[in-house]
Amino acid sequence: DAGITQSPRHKVTETGTPVTLRCHQTENHRYMYWYRQDPGHGLRLIHYSYGVKDTDKGEVSDGYSVSRSKTEDFLLTLESATSSQTSVYFCATDERDTQYFGPGTRLTVL
Amino acid sequence: GENVEQHPSTLSVQEGDSAVIKCTYSDSASNYFPWYKQELGKRPQLIIDIRSNVGEKKDQRIAVTLNKTAKHFSLHITETQPEDSAVYFCAASRVLGNTDKLIFGTGTRLQVFP
Repeated sequence: DAGITQSPRHKVTETGTPVTLRCHQTENHRYMYWYRQDPGHGLRLIHYSYGVKDTDKGEVSDGYSVSRSKTEDFLLTLESATSSQTSVYFCATDERDTQYFGPGTRLTVL
Repeated sequence: GENVEQHPSTLSVQEGDSAVIKCTYSDSASNYFPWYKQELGKRPQLIIDIRSNVGEKKDQRIAVTLNKTAKHFSLHITETQPEDSAVYFCAASRVLGNTDKLIFGTGTRLQVFP
């Protein structure tokens, strides 16, 4: 499982509250990603990072921000959660095009 | 941008039969095509991949074929078993920002009945 962990694994929050999800990897991989998975949509890229402090937007980045202050940690923040952000969030790392996924975080926004 | 279409969305087969899942992509610059298997409540896991300089790749009961001219690739599972039941995702790489990133299909739910 490429040494990837995510925390928390489950979270229920209310609309309008800030939420931060954490991804931690032990493989020293340069690239890290955040995806969301929703029925009928597969996996959609939110943001990605190609190094410490180097991040960029994916295809569904509105309402999300990220930070990477260390190689091993990639944080995803929902500044003000909305019900449309209820989803399963997967972190992934990438070494030479092969992506390895974390166990996922199930987020429910009420 | 890149778009990946995957069919069928659901597939039911009898144990021992073959299963085929097909994907098409739009960006002719794509050069890497992985397949992921996701069991219920688990993370997606890579099961096989193919690069654009190869037309076919096999790994035991699983094979992937690529037709770059037609821009489609397929996953073939032979002698299916109940433990093959899962959701399968195809993906294609495309340039995004500084590097090649994956665009995923919407998934195929495979059910193998004993």
